Amino acid sequence: QSALTQPASVSGSPGQSITISCTGTSSDVGGYNYVSWYQQHPGKAPKLMIYEVSNRPSGVSNRFSGSKSGNTASLTISGLQAEDEADYYCSSYTTSRTLGVVFGGGTKLTVL
Amino acid sequence: EVQLLESGGHLVQPGGSLRLSCVTSGFTFSSYAISWVRQAPGKGLEWVSGISSSGGGTYYADSVKGLFTISRDNSKNTVYLQMNTLRADDTAVYYCAKDNLWFRELSAFDYWGQGTLVTVSS
Repeated sequence: QSALTQPASVSGSPGQSITISCTGTSSDVGGYNYVSWYQQHPGKAPKLMIYEVSNRPSGVSNRFSGSKSGNTASLTISGLQAEDEADYYCSSYTTSRTLGVVFGGGTKLTVL
Repeated sequence: EVQLLESGGHLVQPGGSLRLSCVTSGFTFSSYAISWVRQAPGKGLEWVSGISSSGGGTYYADSVKGLFTISRDNSKNTVYLQMNTLRADDTAVYYCAKDNLWFRELSAFDYWGQGTLVTVSS
């Protein structure tokens, strides 16, 4: 399974909006709606922020939103806050070669 | 409160074996799939293996197929990962994670353990 493609880093100022892209293939992102996004702070376990492309788990701020177009999924964070600074990973169900899950390489979000 | 607690990670020599355990509580264990996800030092997340709620379905990343075996004991609310023929590039923190959907595996992971460190080195 090849990793999904994410930008290595993005940045934004408090209050601004940023978008992180996640590009896969028709065997993963483009073929299924099981795309998820995770936030990970240093030394902590990942936290689910978005599941099934655009759904937010209970307790996750509505500043976080997800979408998908073709083979590319996106995570948008609006009204950036200092505590949003973290690594973000996308993932997708995949049927490439074998059934499984594939993660993106991760994106470091810096809040300026 | 949903909890997952990994154990079993430690220093092992190349070629050695290790069994990780993931003890869970706070949810109906037999209704949810569980996966193992690892993170090498300073690197990103890598899905390793998953098992269906009944244990009848098991799934592996290409990098560990034939080397690792996932299993579960629904009477003990525990998932295991048997790792054989370990290599230096298996060095990582290993997390177990719960699927968020009833009786559906490999969807999204809503609860994670704190991780257990496996170091493969001579």
